[in-house]
Amino acid sequence: GAGVSQSPSNKVTEKGKDVELRCDPISGHTALYWYRQSLGQGLEFLIYFQGNSAPDKSGLPSDRFSAERTGGSVSTLTIQRTQQEDSAVYLCASSRRNPSTEAFFGQGTRLTVV
Amino acid sequence: KNQVEQSPQSLIILEGKNCTLQCNYTVSPFSNLRWYKQDTGRGPVSLTIMTFSENTKSNGRYTATLDADTKQSSLHITASQLSDSASYICVVSFDYKLSFGAGTTVTVRA
Repeated sequence: GAGVSQSPSNKVTEKGKDVELRCDPISGHTALYWYRQSLGQGLEFLIYFQGNSAPDKSGLPSDRFSAERTGGSVSTLTIQRTQQEDSAVYLCASSRRNPSTEAFFGQGTRLTVV
Repeated sequence: KNQVEQSPQSLIILEGKNCTLQCNYTVSPFSNLRWYKQDTGRGPVSLTIMTFSENTKSNGRYTATLDADTKQSSLHITASQLSDSASYICVVSFDYKLSFGAGTTVTVRA
């Protein structure tokens, strides 16, 4: 389809393991956002990519979290040495770079750390 | 500090009643403001968009208002239905970047 695609949709991992979450934005969208939603909590900003500019990493909660965006398209969010508090739904959104831009969200990846 | 603040964090209403959600923002310059609806287990989907010059816009039973002077927006849900149970997220566009509120979770009970 033409929407934002995230994979996997669900991931269960053991505490201490590393995980990679993938986001395929809509073609032509230069902006890409990662957010997470913990149980009962609202959206929490993680990182923002805009074209070839340096990403805004101000929302990453610790140095265990990192993200990259290759070729201005696909993005990977990596969590190293996962902890139980990392359990959440990780949402990716993409948008065009124009004043009336609408963000399109993926379905999210539900991460459970056991 | 988040540049987009939403209130309340959550609310419960009876089916058929009305409710109003609030969004206050500090971002500047302001391009537009959107309200998104996120059903459980789904990604958020845009409900309305408002530009600086607009002060009200409706989408069915949803009516959004905007006061650009006080930097406040509200989303009013009329005659709520069970299907309105969702999270509602306020998103402000400024300088080609989007800033998201944490959302308000609405639960409609029969």
